[in-house]
Amino acid sequence: DGGITQSPKYLFRKEGQNVTLSCEQNLNHDAMYWYRQDPGQGLRLIYYSQIVNDFQKGDIAEGYSVSREKKESFPLTVTSAQKNPTAFYLCASSKTGGSYEQYFGPGTRLTVT
Amino acid sequence: QKEVEQDPGPLSVPEGAIVSLNCTYSNSAFQYFMWYRQYSRKGPELLMYTYSSGNKEDGRFTAQVDKSSKYISLFIRDSQPSDSATYLCAMSAGGSYIPTFGRGTSLIVHP
Repeated sequence: DGGITQSPKYLFRKEGQNVTLSCEQNLNHDAMYWYRQDPGQGLRLIYYSQIVNDFQKGDIAEGYSVSREKKESFPLTVTSAQKNPTAFYLCASSKTGGSYEQYFGPGTRLTVT
Repeated sequence: QKEVEQDPGPLSVPEGAIVSLNCTYSNSAFQYFMWYRQYSRKGPELLMYTYSSGNKEDGRFTAQVDKSSKYISLFIRDSQPSDSATYLCAMSAGGSYIPTFGRGTSLIVHP
């Protein structure tokens, strides 16, 4: 089955540590995205990539970093510079070239204490 | 004014009711409209995808777009307790692959 996988489902870290969230897709989609979801705030775009080896900042990129070395993979690193990292993180992908719908992974719940 | 407005609810209905979920928007360039269903602690699932104005039906779900009023709706017929979830609307302008999402409406269908 084609889809998007995110791992792990739950992640716990101590303050001051960097942590990397995994996102893999086998949909052959060109574009991939990272969102953060907080209660009552909807989805906020962190980073997106429309092609391998290229990515752009979204609305809330500070304290995050990404890489896109392979079409299938778009890992997100939450750095110690992110002031409030505890949140639900969602990865999505989409085709390009006239198709606008995004498909989401199951999400990773990150808790930093 | 936000680009996309969506009442957060919760909207509570009895099983079997017809549910109407709505979003309004301000950007007249939006042409592509999506509805997602999100269960608690899960990723959003694409339910409906429509282009421009008109209706689209898929089983118990009907998506309606009125571009003249900048208003979109999702109707759920014969609602079931399993429909209890948060429903997110999203929309894109042509050429932009970054959709604008509403904040979601929480729906509760009680037996």
